[in-house]
Amino acid sequence: DAEITQSPRHKITETGRQVTLACHQTWNHNNMFWYRQDLGHGLRLIHYSYGVQDTNKGEVSDGYSVSRSNTEDLPLTLESAASSQTSVYFCASSDPSGGAHEQFFGPGTRLTVL
Amino acid sequence: DAKTTQPPSMDCAEGRAANLPCNHSTISGNEYVYWYRQIHSQGPQYIIHGLKNNETNEMASLIITEDRKSSTLILPHATLRDTAVYYCIVRADPRSARQLTFGSGTQLTVLP
Repeated sequence: DAEITQSPRHKITETGRQVTLACHQTWNHNNMFWYRQDLGHGLRLIHYSYGVQDTNKGEVSDGYSVSRSNTEDLPLTLESAASSQTSVYFCASSDPSGGAHEQFFGPGTRLTVL
Repeated sequence: DAKTTQPPSMDCAEGRAANLPCNHSTISGNEYVYWYRQIHSQGPQYIIHGLKNNETNEMASLIITEDRKSSTLILPHATLRDTAVYYCIVRADPRSARQLTFGSGTQLTVLP
């Protein structure tokens, strides 16, 4: 079955380190998204992509970057991790040819920055 | 995208219908209403969406008022596994792949 996976599921890192979170989907969806969720808040968009070589900044993009070299993957990089980036990160994808009404979410990555 | 207002929490008895309200008084004519839910520690899950007409699928029903300023998500026979945070989202032009804007949602607790 097609799916969307994230790795690692849990990560502890130190302030100042570069961290990359992986997102892989097997639906061949053109649209992919990264969100973060903090305690007491809804999901906030970090970056999104409409296809290969396309990336766009979301609501809270400072300190994060993404690249899209193929349809299946959208890795999220924290250039220099900060304690404020401790959060749960969700990746999602959607199919524009199907109307893009439904976004499929991954299981999340819990990141702790010490 | 129009903003939405939902009650922060609701309880429902197991086996009864859960009716979750959402106000979106500034909704525009081309904006859809979406419902997602998030079970604790999991990624959000799509439930249903609608534009003008009421909609039903295997999970739920969506009732949109005639003026489209509010809607209600109905879970016809709530189970304990329906305990989750439910998000009502309004968004225009989904085929442009614009992001979902999540608010605080409603914490639904299904009681045994």
